[in-house]
Amino acid sequence: NAGVMQNPRHLVRRRGQEARLRCSPMKGHSHVYWYRQLPEEGLKFMVYLQKENIIDESGMPKERFSAEFPKEGPSILRIQQVVRGDSAAYFCASSLGADNEQFFGPGTRLTVL
Amino acid sequence: TQLLEQSPQFLSIQEGENLTVYCNSSSVFSSLQWYRQEPGEGPVLLVTVVTGGEVKKLKRLTFQFGDARKDSSLHITAAQPGDTGLYLCAGPSTGRRALTFGSGTRLQVQP
Repeated sequence: NAGVMQNPRHLVRRRGQEARLRCSPMKGHSHVYWYRQLPEEGLKFMVYLQKENIIDESGMPKERFSAEFPKEGPSILRIQQVVRGDSAAYFCASSLGADNEQFFGPGTRLTVL
Repeated sequence: TQLLEQSPQFLSIQEGENLTVYCNSSSVFSSLQWYRQEPGEGPVLLVTVVTGGEVKKLKRLTFQFGDARKDSSLHITAAQPGDTGLYLCAGPSTGRRALTFGSGTRLQVQP
């Protein structure tokens, strides 16, 4: 039973490029959450999605960041015109229902040069 | 804003020692979760505590939820090098599904 999958595991971008991070939730899970972790810090919530809907994006920067979870396929976190401050580990989690425990993927480590 | 503070931030001990790490808040949480994260990996869920005063045991790990549901502790008995990692506590923000995380306790167990 596969866990949460994220790809790529490592992503290097130059300033101004776009970064696309993918997350496939655990089988049967329809709730997806994205978190960001800066070095030596805890995780900070960014956005919560259900299939085709954004439920809570209160932690998402207002500009350059967007997320989607289409009917078919993985959830995508998209960062446009990346800056050095976007360098971080981005984690996706999924849950069976809104009140169920969240299980995390291995993360995507984004480095902006 | 609900905040979770963890202490200590860093802990280095010898194999076989006991230790306790703490997770405190001024806010009430409906539940608290403990995760362990190893370098280059995502957090792995260890336990969820829900009831005030609850104690849960997972082999050598004992988790306690405070009576007022504002704090939690993790006690490890006879620590082993395999226990090395970042221990994070987290709880659901009021009325939301997002988890609020503490900044973690980084544990190193020397053989």
